[in-house]
Amino acid sequence: QVQLVESGGGVVQPGRSLRLSCAASGFTFSSYSMHWVRQAPGKGLEWVAVIWYDGSNTYSADSVKGRFTISRDNSKNTLYLQMNSLRVEDTAVYYCAREHLRYRDLDVWGQGTTVTVSS
Amino acid sequence: QSALTQPASVSGSPGQSITISCTGTSSDVGGYNYVSWYQQRPGKAPKLMIYDVSKRPSGVSNRFSGSKSGNTASLTMSGLQSEDEADYYCCSYAGSSTYVFGTGTTVTVL
Repeated sequence: QVQLVESGGGVVQPGRSLRLSCAASGFTFSSYSMHWVRQAPGKGLEWVAVIWYDGSNTYSADSVKGRFTISRDNSKNTLYLQMNSLRVEDTAVYYCAREHLRYRDLDVWGQGTTVTVSS
Repeated sequence: QSALTQPASVSGSPGQSITISCTGTSSDVGGYNYVSWYQQRPGKAPKLMIYDVSKRPSGVSNRFSGSKSGNTASLTMSGLQSEDEADYYCCSYAGSSTYVFGTGTTVTVL
């Protein structure tokens, strides 16, 4: 079945780095654009970043631009989010999500991985 | 990239209809027919309920419907059921492959 599984979350000090992974299965990963979306504790969803199906283009939210980098390895069916210079306000559950092939929506989501930035 | 504006909470009795609004700008909601809606239950990942303003994915009840007028999109739930209690988020394409979510609405079935 179609599935996304995030990993790599944890507790990290401000200013440090962390890399999240999202393993995809059950579909042709290399055909889909992929996104990261986060949700701070008790807060709403926030779009973080997108990478095109072939990795040729990436876009990110202003709140993470210059600090977070989205990437993918289509040979490993895996999406990544490299997070540098982490801030307390980056504390959130991070979800990876698949963009529908034909429509501009996020039709498949992972279960999320929790990142806590704290000293 | 400001969040779209949704009411914090909406409630209704079983069987009633409720509508959640989602207000953006001409750069997002008003500029594209790419508004989607997501249901999120506590501790769970979001689930796609509506895409392209008014289309329902396979498996989503026809009690859910979407519409848009100008810079405001709406999600209507008819025949409200207890299982509809959840948080709902709108999301709009905002150009250059970017997206923006709404502030979220908690639906309570009285």
